[in-house]
Amino acid sequence: KAGVTQTPRYLIKTRGQQVTLSCSPISGHRSVSWYQQTPGQGLQFLFEYFSETQRNKGNFPGRFSGRQFSNSRSEMNVSTLELGDSALYLCASSLGGRTEKLFFGSGTQLSVL
Amino acid sequence: EDQVTQSPEALRLQEGESSSLNCSYTVSGLRGLFWYRQDPGKGPEFLFTLYSAGEEKEKERLKATLTKKESFLHITAPKPEDSATYLCAVQASYGGSQGNLIFGKGTKLSVKP
Repeated sequence: KAGVTQTPRYLIKTRGQQVTLSCSPISGHRSVSWYQQTPGQGLQFLFEYFSETQRNKGNFPGRFSGRQFSNSRSEMNVSTLELGDSALYLCASSLGGRTEKLFFGSGTQLSVL
Repeated sequence: EDQVTQSPEALRLQEGESSSLNCSYTVSGLRGLFWYRQDPGKGPEFLFTLYSAGEEKEKERLKATLTKKESFLHITAPKPEDSATYLCAVQASYGGSQGNLIFGKGTKLSVKP
């Protein structure tokens, strides 16, 4: 059974640009969550999608957005990139129950220059 | 404010030297407490879920326990392959979904042969 796949693995962008990250969940999983990981703040919750609907959202500015497609694949977009957006972006999937373990991908390492 | 604090930040052990990692939490209603392991360059990997005070779970050399204010991850006779960053996370009862976890910053464990 394939795990959670995130693409691309690495990205380098410049300030002001926008970026789109992709996540393919484990087959059969309907929930996809996104997290930002930095050395200073650790893992912080961005948002969660379930059956194409945003079910929960963290405390990030509106420049961070996401969506989920009918096949459960998800994308997140960051517009007007700032230096502070440099981080590892992790996607996690689960079946979508109320308390379930998350399966994480290996992440996309974003560097903003 | 809900928060999770892990200690120590880093821990160096000799192979076979048992120890414990601490996770203190403040949350308005605990739905679940999770332990994950993260290896360099990879996403977190699920270890345990604990739901109520007094609960314990074991897996190989790891044992997780939970009280009303903290959780411990006990490592018995560790091996070099146990070296990783161990993350603790809580899900608040108001969170609405399992995708929204509050993570601690982790304990980086190094086990020397």
